[in-house]
Amino acid sequence: AQSVSQHNHHVILSEAASLELGCNYSYGGTVNLFWYVQYPGQHLQLLLKYFSGDPLVKGIKGFEAEFIKSKFSFNLRKPSVQWSDTAEYFCAVILLTDSWGKLQFGAGTQVVVTP
Amino acid sequence: NAGVTQTPKFRILKIGQSMTLQCTQDMNHNYMYWYRQDPGMGLKLIYYSVGAGITDKGEVPNGYNVSRSTTEDFPLRLELAAPSQTSVYFCAGGTDYEQYFGPGTRLTVT
Repeated sequence: AQSVSQHNHHVILSEAASLELGCNYSYGGTVNLFWYVQYPGQHLQLLLKYFSGDPLVKGIKGFEAEFIKSKFSFNLRKPSVQWSDTAEYFCAVILLTDSWGKLQFGAGTQVVVTP
Repeated sequence: NAGVTQTPKFRILKIGQSMTLQCTQDMNHNYMYWYRQDPGMGLKLIYYSVGAGITDKGEVPNGYNVSRSTTEDFPLRLELAAPSQTSVYFCAGGTDYEQYFGPGTRLTVT
């Protein structure tokens, strides 16, 4: 079955540490890829997206992600996290061969940044 | 533009009651979606619509109904609330390759 997998359910790290969140998908066709963030008590916000072109994409708040087609991966990174990055992060994929845009989400990774 | 708005923000229902979750978008998007979010499960698609008058089931449609009489509005109806419907509900509007989410409705069924 087609799916989106996020490698970690919970990550705890200190301020200034580097963050990398893994995301793999199992679709064989052309995809659009997204990372969303959900701060405590808030709705989903788009961090960054990849449609085509340069596989290294930069998003808001210093986040970036790299699309590696051969590995079906779209990992999210941030070199130095802040306490305000505490949130839940969701990877999502749209398979473009679908007749409509079915956004498939991963289960999410809860990130806690300690002072 | 407000984007996607949802009402109410919070609601507590008793088992067997019914209610409608409202969703409105002002971006003139054809596509609209309803998701539910449960802890550790990500978001699951309940229903979607590709335009006014056109709706279809998503991954978890049981216990819900939708209608799409206008481009702007996409209400979600719960007819007989059950504890399994306790969740956070997100509406989204967008295209077939990108979506914009509303603030969510936190529903508790007791």
